[in-house]
Amino acid sequence: AQSVTQLDSQVPVFEEAPVELRCNYSSSVSVYLFWYVQYPNQGLQLLLKYLSGSTLVKGINGFEAEFNKSQTSFHLRKPSVHISDTAEYFCAVSASNTGFQKLVFGTGTRLLVSP
Amino acid sequence: SQTIHQWPATLVQPVGSPLSLECTVEGTSNPNLYWYRQAAGRGLQLLFYSVGIGQISSEVPQNLSASRPQDRQFILSSKKLLLSDSGFYLCAWSADTAEAFFGQGTRLTVV
Repeated sequence: AQSVTQLDSQVPVFEEAPVELRCNYSSSVSVYLFWYVQYPNQGLQLLLKYLSGSTLVKGINGFEAEFNKSQTSFHLRKPSVHISDTAEYFCAVSASNTGFQKLVFGTGTRLLVSP
Repeated sequence: SQTIHQWPATLVQPVGSPLSLECTVEGTSNPNLYWYRQAAGRGLQLLFYSVGIGQISSEVPQNLSASRPQDRQFILSSKKLLLSDSGFYLCAWSADTAEAFFGQGTRLTVV
């Protein structure tokens, strides 16, 4: 079974500063990895995903993440955040085996961007 | 393109009353369907998933049930709501790679 750990429940940052949201996963098989963003009282929107290939993945809204297999990490980064990036961010993992595979989420990190 | 519809957006129900939340997907066939619940500070808890019509898997024992009467319809139900059923409920669908696409959610408050 897979599991995801997001150690930071909340990350405060000033506008235009860089940010990194940490995600570590556990799995005995190869995985797919995802980052989702949730704005208040809304569903989740996919930011980016790693399925295979290049370990540096670029997503929407200027976010990127790097898959590190040896450290079992998939940290999310943005070089310069905006007030509008204030939201909850979820890391998720699924096994890359064939057939149906469940998506397992971390507990989320609340990004708070202040002026 | 694929779309997912979930309703209602908000719901206030008394304890002991029944519940029915509906989710439909358009633009795809035979999707995997999910119901998640999100409680404050707890992330997303997978409640049910379905890989086909009439096929429901439950992840946690609870006061809720799910049904899939049609290929692209997923319903979350309860016969008698508890206070602990309050939360934000999210429906989602996925295809082969498990990348999930979410509805806008239902905020359920049991009073």
